[in-house]
Amino acid sequence: AQSVSQHNHHVILSEAASLELGCNYSYGGTVNLFWYVQYPGQHLQLLLKYFSGDPLVKGIKGFEAEFIKSKFSFNLRKPSVQWSDTAEYFCAVTATPDSNYQLIWGAGTKLIIKP
Amino acid sequence: NAGVTQTPKFRVLKTGQSMTLLCAQDMNHEYMYWYRQDPGMGLRLIHYSVGEGTTAKGEVPDGYNVSRLKKQNFLLGLESAAPSQTSVYFCASSYRVAGRANQPQHFGDGTRLSIL
Repeated sequence: AQSVSQHNHHVILSEAASLELGCNYSYGGTVNLFWYVQYPGQHLQLLLKYFSGDPLVKGIKGFEAEFIKSKFSFNLRKPSVQWSDTAEYFCAVTATPDSNYQLIWGAGTKLIIKP
Repeated sequence: NAGVTQTPKFRVLKTGQSMTLLCAQDMNHEYMYWYRQDPGMGLRLIHYSVGEGTTAKGEVPDGYNVSRLKKQNFLLGLESAAPSQTSVYFCASSYRVAGRANQPQHFGDGTRLSIL
């Protein structure tokens, strides 16, 4: 069965530090990849997505992610984090067509930014 | 623009009681989903629907039933609530693009359900 791994469950950074959150998936075929963010007390929102084309994807709020097919990875990055980036971040993958177009979710990474 | 609306936002039940969670979307999306979110486990798909009148089981369907009688509504029912069903429940919806896989999902604000 397909799976998504987010290795860091908790990350604590200071403002202006650089961020990289890991996401690895297990599926050798075509994938669509997503990062969602959940701010405290809010619902999940789409941060960015990759369907095809340029493997470096830019999302909202200065986030970007790079799809590296050979490493089965889709890591999320931000050069300089802000206190307002404190949230939980989820990686999700659709392994088409095996998963019947359903999203397979990672367990999430809680990011805390110290002011 | 309401997007995805879930009711209620909070509920406390006793073991064995039944209840229905309502999800409504105003974006004319074909696909709708019910997830539960538990600490350290991310989101797990309970049931989903690819269109009016159709539903399918997700990863953790036991103890839940769903119905999609209208395109805009997706109901999640707990027939006999158990403490293990204490969780935060999220509804989501997405549109379908011919020839394309899963489009981004839009989420509701969640329902926090406690079973005593």
